[in-house]
Amino acid sequence: EVQLEQSGAEVKKPGESLTISCETSGYKFANYWISWVRQMPGKGLEWVGRIDCSDSYVNYSPSFQGHVTLSVDTSITTAYLRWSSLKASDTAMYFCARSPSEYSTSADFWGQGTLVSVSS
Amino acid sequence: QSALTQPASVSGSPGQSITISCTGTNSDIGSYNYVSWFQQHPGKAPKLMIYDVTNRPSGVSSRFSGSKSGITASLTISGLQAEDEADYYCTSYRSSGTLSWVFGGGTKLTVL
Repeated sequence: EVQLEQSGAEVKKPGESLTISCETSGYKFANYWISWVRQMPGKGLEWVGRIDCSDSYVNYSPSFQGHVTLSVDTSITTAYLRWSSLKASDTAMYFCARSPSEYSTSADFWGQGTLVSVSS
Repeated sequence: QSALTQPASVSGSPGQSITISCTGTNSDIGSYNYVSWFQQHPGKAPKLMIYDVTNRPSGVSSRFSGSKSGITASLTISGLQAEDEADYYCTSYRSSGTLSWVFGGGTKLTVL
C-alpha cells in the first residue's frame, strides 16, 4: 500500500529554522518525484517545488526559490522541506505528493499535510 | 507567477451536470496535455480526479470527465451527488521560465 506520512504540526517564531518530512512507503521511491504544495488558511493550492527522488534534481516555483530547500534521503525513502528563516507569512498547511515523471502533474498519492504556524 | 483561471464557484442540483473551466496560456494548457484536476474536501488532502487531460485514476467515478480546447481545460461532473460538494483545482505543467506546475485558484462546487 502506497503511503506518504508527514511529520506533525509545528509552532515556530519568525527567524527560526524548520524542517518538515514526508516519509514514503509501498512503492519504489526512486521512480517518482515528490512535490510540495502550500495551502494558506482559507486559500487555494500553490506549488512550492519538486524533487526527483532518483538524483535529487530540484525545480522550485519562482515564488519560493531561495526561501525553501527540498531534499531527500533515499536510505529512508523520506523527502524534506526546509526553511532556514521562517516568516509569519509561511503559516500554512504543507502537503507532499508523488508524481511519476518530470512533466506529469498526476499527483496520485498525497500526505495528510503538516500545519506550520509562525508567530511571535 | 500567474495562476490558471477558474470560476470561484459553481452550483447544481443532484442529478444535474456541471462543468468547471480552467483557462491558461500557450505556455501551459495550450502546449501540454499535462492537465490534472483535484478534489479537496474541507480539512482533507487533495485527491486526484483526472490526469493528462482526460484520464481517470482507478477508483474515480466515471461521472467525472475531462477535456481540453486550446488554452482552456474543463472538468465535467455528471449525475451530481451530495458528496461531490468540494473545492476543485486544476493544474498544468508550465514551461515559461522555470519548468514548473501551476494551479488554478480553485472552484467551490455547491450541490443544492
